[in-house]
Amino acid sequence: DQQVKQNSPSLSVQEGRISILNCDYTNSMFDYFLWYKKYPAEGPTFLISISSIKDKNEDGRFTVFLNKSAKHLSLHIVPSQPGDSAVYFCAASGGATNKLIFGTGTLLAVQP
Amino acid sequence: EAQVTQNPRYLITVTGKKLTVTCSQNMNHEYMSWYRQDPGLGLRQIYYSMNVEVTDKGDVPEGYKVSRKEKRNFPLILESPSPNQTSLYFCASSLAESVNEQFFGPGTRLTVL
Repeated sequence: DQQVKQNSPSLSVQEGRISILNCDYTNSMFDYFLWYKKYPAEGPTFLISISSIKDKNEDGRFTVFLNKSAKHLSLHIVPSQPGDSAVYFCAASGGATNKLIFGTGTLLAVQP
Repeated sequence: EAQVTQNPRYLITVTGKKLTVTCSQNMNHEYMSWYRQDPGLGLRQIYYSMNVEVTDKGDVPEGYKVSRKEKRNFPLILESPSPNQTSLYFCASSLAESVNEQFFGPGTRLTVL
C-alpha cells in the first residue's frame, strides 16, 4: 500500500513559469514532510521540508504548502529554470518509526 | 568533502553469486540506510542502522543482509542474488536527531541475470 503518492509521473513547463508538483499521503501519523531532488546518475538531495505545525515553508524559489485536512502537499518552483529539470520525490515521516516513506517521483522538465 | 560513497557504481552478476555493495560516509553520522529505486515504486527502504551494531529491517528486507561494525561503513550483502533484485541501490546517512534530512550516495546499478 503506497502511503505517499505522486500521481503525476511527469510534468513539463516553460522556463520562467511556475512548476507545481503534488503529493498525497494516507497516514495521519505523518508529521514531517520533505522534497528531495534527483538528477540522473546522482543520489537524491534534500531540497525543502515542512513540519505539520506549519502550512507553508519558503526557501528562495521553492515553496512547500501543506494541507493537513486534505492530506496533500505541493512544491511550487517560481520561476522555473532549466537546471530544475530533475526527478522530485516527496517523502514523509512520523509516528514511532525512524523511517522516511518516499513517493514514486515526478520527472520535471523545464523547457528553455 | 562531506560525502557518501558507494562501490561498485555498476555491477552485472548472475543468479546465486554472492555480492557485497559497500557504503562509507565521512560525516560521523549515526544513522545509515539502504534504499532501492524501481520504476513506478519510488525509493523503498531495505535496512537501516541507528548506530554501530544496531540494525533493523526496512520495508523490503527479504534477500538482503547488512552489518554495522564501524560507524562509517554499512555494507549491503546479497547472499544469493535473484533477477528481482535488479535495481538501483542508494545508501544514505544522517545525524541521529535528523534522520529526515539524509545524505545520499551516488547509487549502484545492479543487474542480476
